[in-house]
Amino acid sequence: DVKVTQSSRYLVKRTGEKVFLECVQDMDHENMFWYRQDPGLGLRLIYFSYDVKMKEKGDIPEGYSVSREKKERFSLILESASTNQTSMYLCASSLKATGYTFGSGTRLTVV
Amino acid sequence: DAKTTQPPSMDCAEGRAANLPCNHSTISGNEYVYWYRQIHSQGPQYIIHGLKNNETNEMASLIITEDRKSSTLILPHATLRDTAVYYCIVRVGVGGSQGNLIFGKGTKLSVKP
Repeated sequence: DVKVTQSSRYLVKRTGEKVFLECVQDMDHENMFWYRQDPGLGLRLIYFSYDVKMKEKGDIPEGYSVSREKKERFSLILESASTNQTSMYLCASSLKATGYTFGSGTRLTVV
Repeated sequence: DAKTTQPPSMDCAEGRAANLPCNHSTISGNEYVYWYRQIHSQGPQYIIHGLKNNETNEMASLIITEDRKSSTLILPHATLRDTAVYYCIVRVGVGGSQGNLIFGKGTKLSVKP
């Protein structure tokens, strides 16, 4: 089975900190995605990548950046964390036209 | 982009079939219908997807109407562990990439003993 591993399950950071959320997949998938999930708003796409060093903005990229230096790793960066970025962050990967595999999520709290 | 409409919640008795409907009346000819579910505090889990024909796998069956404007996910023998939010999604193509998924609010399925 494909595994998508997110480095932290829970994270607490201070306002203004630079935050790195790491995601690794082990099945050579081309596509990787970062979503955030908030009550009442569902899952919203932040960024996605369909190849190494390629990235595309999703619906809510403001305040975030991403890095994909290796195929298996897709990092989400909060340049200066703010309280409105407190959320559940979900990483996913996929091959062409197949289902996405999600990680277990990172619950980030910014205080 | 095609949007989907699902009932916000449904109940099902344990051991019975759960039939979850989804309307996607503006779907384009090359867009797939995907179903995911999310159990509390976990990431979404892929269930099944289809284009035109009905599909079946070890988890569920997907019935797509001939005009492709609606579909039904069937869990043939629902168990308590099937209690989750079920998302019906139409896959959006983005340029030359493989597209991304847009999640709506889904249907909260409660399987009761």
